[in-house]
Amino acid sequence: SQTIHQWPATLVQPVGSPLSLECTVEGTSNPNLYWYRQAAGRGLQLLFYSVGIGQISSEVPQNLSASRPQDRQFILSSKKLLLSDSGFYLCACTGTVGAGELFFGEGSRLTVL
Amino acid sequence: AQKVTQAQTEISVVEKEDVTLDCVYETRDTTYYLFWYKQPPSGELVFLIRRNSFDEQNEISGRYSWNFQKSTSSFNFTITASQVVDSAVYFCALSEARGSSNTGKLIFGQGTTLQVKP
Repeated sequence: SQTIHQWPATLVQPVGSPLSLECTVEGTSNPNLYWYRQAAGRGLQLLFYSVGIGQISSEVPQNLSASRPQDRQFILSSKKLLLSDSGFYLCACTGTVGAGELFFGEGSRLTVL
Repeated sequence: AQKVTQAQTEISVVEKEDVTLDCVYETRDTTYYLFWYKQPPSGELVFLIRRNSFDEQNEISGRYSWNFQKSTSSFNFTITASQVVDSAVYFCALSEARGSSNTGKLIFGQGTTLQVKP
């Protein structure tokens, strides 16, 4: 079964600083990958998804970007963080399109001060 | 547009009580998938169930049961004889489906925080 690793688990960054959150997947090949954000007290919002290496789709306009340099690696980045970027970021994958449910990582909690 | 509504923000029950978490969804798709996830304090989302739009059979898994009613666009979740370990945030989610495939893009409700007191 799939295992998703995210790091760092917790991050405190000043406004205007860069960001890099990493997600790696084990136990599957050619997965669809997703970044979700959960703001405090709110549901989960899909930010990006990827169906393959170098293929990124953005769901909402924002200060963040994503990249997929390898099949099982998904990176969330920002050049300059905003206060509104604070939240809990979850990486998810599905094995193949049609495989069913998403598997989620442990999450990365970002606080921007 | 697709939307999932979980009207109950917080529910508090005493251990051994039954509790039902409501979920109402909106979609124009004729084929879609519905999910329930549990988010314990650790933060990771734990998959509980998936149901496709053509399968309206209710499902029971131990103390958990799900009632899918297409006529009312609802997919409610009941925990029987609740336990303290059931305390968590529960999310209902909707995914569009193309053909028989699940695109994997989930639209989540706002979540219901369930507190089970001993």
